[in-house]
Amino acid sequence: KAGVTQTPRYLIKTRGQQVTLSCSPISGHRSVSWYQQTPGQGLQFLFEYFSETQRNKGNFPGRFSGRQFSNSRSEMNVSTLELGDSALYLCASSLAPLLAGDSYEQYFGPGTRLTVT
Amino acid sequence: GQQLNQSPQSMFIQEGEDVSMNCTSSSIFNTWLWYKQDPGEGPVLLIALYKAGELTSNGRLTAQFGITRKDSFLNISASIPSDVGIYFCAGPGAGSYQLTFGKGTKLSVIP
Repeated sequence: KAGVTQTPRYLIKTRGQQVTLSCSPISGHRSVSWYQQTPGQGLQFLFEYFSETQRNKGNFPGRFSGRQFSNSRSEMNVSTLELGDSALYLCASSLAPLLAGDSYEQYFGPGTRLTVT
Repeated sequence: GQQLNQSPQSMFIQEGEDVSMNCTSSSIFNTWLWYKQDPGEGPVLLIALYKAGELTSNGRLTAQFGITRKDSFLNISASIPSDVGIYFCAGPGAGSYQLTFGKGTKLSVIP
């Protein structure tokens, strides 16, 4: 079974631009979560999507948004990029959304390394 | 918000040695997850724990869900070079709809 895929793997943008990252979950997984990973803050939850609906959102500004399509693929968008947005953006998929049952097991993709200059 | 404290932050060990690391929380967790991340890759799920006191093994790895529900431990026996990486604990705190991750324990294995 193929794992979580993320595209692109690497991206360089300049301040003020916007960026869209893509994530394809494991086949059959309907929940997709996004995380930002930086050396200083570690792994921080951005948001979770299930059945095309955002279920939960972390403590990030409105410049960070996402969506999920009917095939469970997800995209996240960051507008008006800032230098501090440079990070590894990770997507994780799971069968069911968190707290929907007994599965909190999320499987991560390789990430997209975003550098803002 | 909920925080997870992992210790040690980093460790250097000789190949063949056993390794222990732990994770503590100020609040109760209902689930503990342990992940390993290799450089340039996403975290890989190693072990999931769902019950206080539970002890679960995955090969040379053994993890325990503390009986207070505020801590968890990961042990690696007979370490090998491919054990190098960063180990994260994670879990959804009680009443939380999202996973909280620790800052990680960076493991280096000296051949």
